[in-house]
Amino acid sequence: AQKVTQAQTEISVVEKEDVTLDCVYETRDTTYYLFWYKQPPSGELVFLIRRNSFDEQNEISGRYSWNFQKSTSSFNFTITASQVVDSAVYFCALSIYSGGGADGLTFGKGTHLIIQP
Amino acid sequence: DAGVIQSPRHEVTEMGQEVTLRCKPISGHNSLFWYRQTMMRGLELLIYFNNNVPIDDSGMPEDRFSAKMPNASFSTLKIQPSEPRDSAVYFCASSLAPRDNEQFFGPGTRLTVL
Repeated sequence: AQKVTQAQTEISVVEKEDVTLDCVYETRDTTYYLFWYKQPPSGELVFLIRRNSFDEQNEISGRYSWNFQKSTSSFNFTITASQVVDSAVYFCALSIYSGGGADGLTFGKGTHLIIQP
Repeated sequence: DAGVIQSPRHEVTEMGQEVTLRCKPISGHNSLFWYRQTMMRGLELLIYFNNNVPIDDSGMPEDRFSAKMPNASFSTLKIQPSEPRDSAVYFCASSLAPRDNEQFFGPGTRLTVL
């Protein structure tokens, strides 16, 4: 069975600060995918990034960056120069590649990020 | 392009009634997923389909829950009879597997069972 742990239930920072959201995962499979989703107050789930288990390169997209480390089973997400619009619940998720198709996502409990002006 | 479409967006019903939630995946996607979100349990996978075939329904909580996908463009999640503990937001998602694995979510259906 898979498990995703987001130990930070809530984080509150002042605008323009950098913030890192932690994600630790557990799986016995060697081929898997990791994801981050954003859920703003409006409630929809917005896809942010996908990484596969064979690609440990860090990724940067604007103010967002992701650090994938298989050695520690972590997939952390950093927002640089945070903005009020970044306020949301962020979910880390894991999916196993079944060979024939996609598998369902196992989500962490989410981190509620509050950016104060 | 139209995203995943869910209906209704909100549903209020009384305990014991039948509830049917509907989902239209993104055109061309061949995998469809149903999730439920509650404060207590977070986001949990209920069932998913690949090419209209149910692959894993181990997340379906009870026999009161059933899901169908009669064709590539439509799926239903039915609860019969409904109970107050079924109150949650139900999300449908679709993806193009196995080439891409990111799942695109619909807006969700907020179900309240009184």
